[in-house]
Amino acid sequence: GNSVTQMEGPVTLSEEAFLTINCTYTATGYPSLFWYVQYPGEGLQLLLKATKADDKGSNKGFEATYRKETTSFHLEKGSVQVSDSAVYFCALSARNTGGFKTIFGAGTRLFVKA
Amino acid sequence: SQTIHQWPATLVQPVGSPLSLECTVEGTSNPNLYWYRQAAGRGLQLLFYSVGIGQISSEVPQNLSASRPQDRQFILSSKKLLLSDSGFYLCAWSKRDGDEQFFGPGTRLTVL
Repeated sequence: GNSVTQMEGPVTLSEEAFLTINCTYTATGYPSLFWYVQYPGEGLQLLLKATKADDKGSNKGFEATYRKETTSFHLEKGSVQVSDSAVYFCALSARNTGGFKTIFGAGTRLFVKA
Repeated sequence: SQTIHQWPATLVQPVGSPLSLECTVEGTSNPNLYWYRQAAGRGLQLLFYSVGIGQISSEVPQNLSASRPQDRQFILSSKKLLLSDSGFYLCAWSKRDGDEQFFGPGTRLTVL
């Protein structure tokens, strides 16, 4: 079946450090891929998405490239800020029996220190 | 623009009491609607989703139920809460199957 695996947290970085959060997936067909962010006490917000191979999603300095050959969608940011502290979820949406289904990874908590 | 509302924001209920959480969406029509639960420090568990009025699919058998009495209203209910029902409940909508989902602010439920 379809699945999403992302690196376990927490990830702790100093301000202005480079961020990578790994995400790999298993899916039949051609899924759409997403990164969502959840700030403390809030719901999830879409951060970026990519709908086909080699697409790069980007938003607020974050980027992720849809790599079909490695079935990956790693999240990167060149210089993190304290305000980026949150939980990040990788997700895929793929056709399943009965229609599309969205599957979320377990989430990776990021702490950024000043 | 579209907005999604959930209430209440927080709720403390005794074991065995009933539950009703409400979610409404504005600014769109015929959305797909979803209920998720997030246990402390954990990922998302899809509980129910709906593609139209009166159409509910259950992902996990449990003592919760969902209803969609109107196009943009989604209700999560229980007749008797369990301790294990504690968590953060999130409602979400999407325009179509496979699209990105837009989440509400969530309801934090504590069952004592």
